[in-house]
Amino acid sequence: EAGVAQSPRYKIIEKRQSVAFWCNPISGHATLYWYQQILGQGPKLLIQFQNNGVVDDSQLPKDRFSAERLKGVDSTLKIQPAKLEDSAVYLCASSFGGREKLFFGSGTQLSVL
Amino acid sequence: SQQGEEDPQALSIQEGENATMNCSYKTSINNLQWYRQNSGRGLVHLILIRSNEREKHSGRLRVTLDTSKKSSSLLITASRAADTASYFCVHDMRFGAGTRLTVKP
Repeated sequence: EAGVAQSPRYKIIEKRQSVAFWCNPISGHATLYWYQQILGQGPKLLIQFQNNGVVDDSQLPKDRFSAERLKGVDSTLKIQPAKLEDSAVYLCASSFGGREKLFFGSGTQLSVL
Repeated sequence: SQQGEEDPQALSIQEGENATMNCSYKTSINNLQWYRQNSGRGLVHLILIRSNEREKHSGRLRVTLDTSKKSSSLLITASRAADTASYFCVHDMRFGAGTRLTVKP
């Protein structure tokens, strides 16, 4: 069974630039999550999708972050413009249903200079 | 806000000893999950315990849940160097800060 795919693996940008991350969940998983993990901290939930609808985006900084999940499968997370404090690993996870076991991708490590 | 706070923040033990990590949460739950993250990034699911369960086992892992105290514990028995990792409890899909476990050979 293929796992959760994320790309790119690494990204280095300068502050005020834009960046986008892509995630392809496990086939058949209706729920998709984006987490931000700053070094030394636990992952922070940014947004949760159920199919292509948003379930929870209460912790998403909506002035600069946006996410979409077209057709209820792949998802993209965008930051525009990036700030230094956005340097983190961005993790995508999927689950068959909501609040169930999460399967994580390898993440994208973002460095904002 | 993050849910679920782990205690202790860091734990160092010798191989073969048991390790116990605790998690407290503030709101009602449907279930509580534990995950492990090795150095690098990989986050792996360990156990999911539902609100109507009190204890669950998986190999050398034992998880307990006390809904009256809003707390859970993860016990790793006969620890190995390979158990060195960060352990997180997850409630309502939100992670705590984690416990950093170091198992010395």
